[in-house]
Amino acid sequence: AQKITQTQPGMFVQEKEAVTLDCTYDTSDPSYGLFWYKQPSSGEMIFLIYQGSYDQQNATEGRYSLNFQKARKSANLVISASQLGDSAMYFCAMRARAEGGSEKLVFGKGTKLTVNP
Amino acid sequence: DAGVIQSPRHEVTEMGQEVTLRCKPISGHDYLFWYRQTMMRGLELLIYFNNNVPIDDSGMPEDRFSAKMPNASFSTLKIQPSEPRDSAVYFCASCLAGDRPETQYFGPGTRLTVL
Repeated sequence: AQKITQTQPGMFVQEKEAVTLDCTYDTSDPSYGLFWYKQPSSGEMIFLIYQGSYDQQNATEGRYSLNFQKARKSANLVISASQLGDSAMYFCAMRARAEGGSEKLVFGKGTKLTVNP
Repeated sequence: DAGVIQSPRHEVTEMGQEVTLRCKPISGHDYLFWYRQTMMRGLELLIYFNNNVPIDDSGMPEDRFSAKMPNASFSTLKIQPSEPRDSAVYFCASCLAGDRPETQYFGPGTRLTVL
């Protein structure tokens, strides 16, 4: 069964510093996708970044980058130059095979990031 | 372009009442998902549709929950009768098969409180 594990319930970082949020996954499917979402206190789920299992390079989107280590089954999110607005819950998710072969996302429990001034 | 639209944003009801949550997916998207988020269980997929057809409803907790998608631009999630343990945030999400990546875009959610 597909599973996502986020071992850090909470993380703290100083403004302008970088922070890494951990995510490990488990799947037997050779083709999969990994997503990171941000959920601020307002509640919406915001897509941040995606990494495909066959992508040769680590994904980057502005200050977000994904440290993808396939052999270790990890897909850690790196946020550089943290800003106060980065304070939020962060969820790692994996696209898992489902009936019809479609896009069922399995989510981790999330990590609450607090950026201190 | 408008994102996924959900209504109402907040719903407070009494135990035993019927609750209907609504969702309008992003135009052109052919997949629609309903999720429930609670502190205890995190984000759970309840059901999803492809081209208006329910594909997997294994996450629907019990017969009190039902979902429909009468057309490509509208879906409902109904709880009848509602119970306090149904209190949660319910999200609707949509995506387009074939997009690279096939990213699910979430609506703002409906916060349901059952008293």
